[in-house]
Amino acid sequence: DTAVSQTPKYLVTQMGNDKSIKCEQNLGHDTMYWYKQDSKKFLKIMFSYNNKELIINETVPNRFSPKSPDKAHLNLHINSLELGDSAVYFCASSQTRHEQFFGPGTRLTVL
Amino acid sequence: SQELEQSPQSLIVQEGKNLTINCTSSKTLYGLYWYKQKYGEGLIFLMMLQKGGEEKSHEKITAKLDEKKQQSSLHITASQPSHAGIYLCGADLAGGGADGLTFGKGTHLIIQP
Repeated sequence: DTAVSQTPKYLVTQMGNDKSIKCEQNLGHDTMYWYKQDSKKFLKIMFSYNNKELIINETVPNRFSPKSPDKAHLNLHINSLELGDSAVYFCASSQTRHEQFFGPGTRLTVL
Repeated sequence: SQELEQSPQSLIVQEGKNLTINCTSSKTLYGLYWYKQKYGEGLIFLMMLQKGGEEKSHEKITAKLDEKKQQSSLHITASQPSHAGIYLCGADLAGGGADGLTFGKGTHLIIQP
């Protein structure tokens, strides 16, 4: 039933590690997104993927890389994690020019 | 400066009272989306506005987009405890249709019984 799902819900890891967050949508949407929400609840776009092509990429460190194995999935890989990467990461999907549906979020804590 | 200004940052309202949250942009809003986020949870879509002067309502929540498409307001009538949470306005500022949304910093709404 879940429209946009993310795993894991919580991720605690050490600085310097590499980790991935998975996202899946079963809505048949053509665009998927990754957002980062900081401790002050400010939500900022990181990436969007449309038809398996990266179409925007904000000023995000290249340690972050989105990977889309198919239209229903957009995974987020993070290399060499830093303390400042601690945040809640949200995946979302939409049909072009329509509302975005958000996943439940993944709370990443880097120690 | 912030592309999308949301006000107020926080709001404490007595149950049963009306309230308004504003979202202002210096750029044309190709689409304006209102979301609600409960603490520690994901975003729930409320309404989408695209045309100048457009107004939509759902239960006790009404959202409007001004004629110039640079400002939107969210109005809650007869507030209830279930309305508490963080309200976020998100905007399509690029008009490309598949870009991400630019969000305001959110309004923390507390409803006092």
